[in-house]
Amino acid sequence: AQTVTQSQPEMSVQEAETVTLSCTYDTSENNYYLFWYKQPPSRQMILVIRQEAYKQQNATENRFSVNFQKAAKSFSLKISDSQLGDTAMYFCAFMDSWDAGNKLTFGGGTRVLVKP
Amino acid sequence: EAEVAQSPRYKITEKSQAVAFWCDPISGHATLYWYRQILGQGPELLVQFQDESVVDDSQLPKDRFSAERLKGVDSTLKIQPAELGDSAMYLCASSPLEGVYTDTQYFGPGTRLTVL
Repeated sequence: AQTVTQSQPEMSVQEAETVTLSCTYDTSENNYYLFWYKQPPSRQMILVIRQEAYKQQNATENRFSVNFQKAAKSFSLKISDSQLGDTAMYFCAFMDSWDAGNKLTFGGGTRVLVKP
Repeated sequence: EAEVAQSPRYKITEKSQAVAFWCDPISGHATLYWYRQILGQGPELLVQFQDESVVDDSQLPKDRFSAERLKGVDSTLKIQPAELGDSAMYLCASSPLEGVYTDTQYFGPGTRLTVL
């Protein structure tokens, strides 16, 4: 079974600065997808960014980018120019591309607090 | 923008009572997921439907939990009888079966259950 580990329970960052969230995973598969989801306080979870394991190029979405290290099974998220609206729980998630049901396995989450 | 709807948003019940949660996925999404998220942890899949069929219910405590999606559209998750350990956020998500975004799950706002 796949496992996803987020080793940082909580992180704080000053507005406009950069923060990096760590995620490691364990799998024997070669093809899979990785995701970062954001869960703001009292609001629904939304997708931040996704990475396909067969792509070597790191995904980027505006101020969000990932550092995907397949051999190390590491998938970190960098938030640049942090904004107050980035305050949320961030979950790393794994999906086996060969799984019939596209099941997501989530990490335990990292709480990010952006300070003014 | 289409969203996943869930009701109720909050539910307080006493142990041994029955509770039910409702989810209406994004129109046209064939796949529907129910997750349980204990406070401070990542979501864990309870059950997954494709249309009206169960794809995965391996983590559903079947002695007290049941789920149905009779017409392949909206879904109901029931707990009977509720136990103190069932206190959690229950999230519903959906994803399309075809197109570019089949691996992306769209989440509803959740139902927060408190069992007293």
